[in-house]
Amino acid sequence: QSALTQPASVSGSPGQSITISCTGTNSDIGTFDLVSWYQQHPGKAPKLIIYGVSERPSGVSNRFSGSKSGNTASLTISGLQAEDEADYHCFSYAGGIGFENWVFGGGTKVTVL
Amino acid sequence: QLQLQESGPGLVKPSETLSLTCIVSGGSISRSNYYWGWIRQPPGKGLEWIGSVYHSGRTHKNPSLKSRVTISVDTSKKQLSLKLTSVTAADTAVYYCARAACVTTYGVVTHRDPFDIWGQGTTVAVSS
Repeated sequence: QSALTQPASVSGSPGQSITISCTGTNSDIGTFDLVSWYQQHPGKAPKLIIYGVSERPSGVSNRFSGSKSGNTASLTISGLQAEDEADYHCFSYAGGIGFENWVFGGGTKVTVL
Repeated sequence: QLQLQESGPGLVKPSETLSLTCIVSGGSISRSNYYWGWIRQPPGKGLEWIGSVYHSGRTHKNPSLKSRVTISVDTSKKQLSLKLTSVTAADTAVYYCARAACVTTYGVVTHRDPFDIWGQGTTVAVSS
């Protein structure tokens, strides 16, 4: 069982917007603004698409956006495209004084209908 | 352009030790503003952080794996290493190495970024 909870699947039609939730606790998402999101196509390594809750790395489409409220982070994909069909993983810092810990969500499969 | 390449045995017997290496090319492995990590993904499942190692040599490990994991960095060979002891079928996974940026002030890490550069991964199966 993963430390962060994501829906197993989300689907949408081309052009629509979808949102993926990632629920944690006061020990991770609720305390740290160190939430990131990865996109992973089958057989490929994960690709960082959001860091620091809502920042996009250079080269990542502005159709991807992130936010956080309390213990829940969200990834929104606007103008859904066929190439967005992939698995999406949330990732949060969960450390404390003197120790580091990172936790992932279980992943969400996005299907473009 | 920094590239990471994992390598390992592919198949390990139960109760034995899994040993993986990650070769870093196209950039430095010894800069203090980066740290390195290992992440794994069992078949059909989500990602799991295994641990991280800093320029200082200090390591941090997933509490659930801590007693079985050793992570190290060899700057002369530009490689990372992962050792996982007493493996079981539950350790069957694709293993990735990755790099992330950090900020260190007076030897204390004050900010960490998530992993932004990943290797392609190496598959390890645990079976007799």
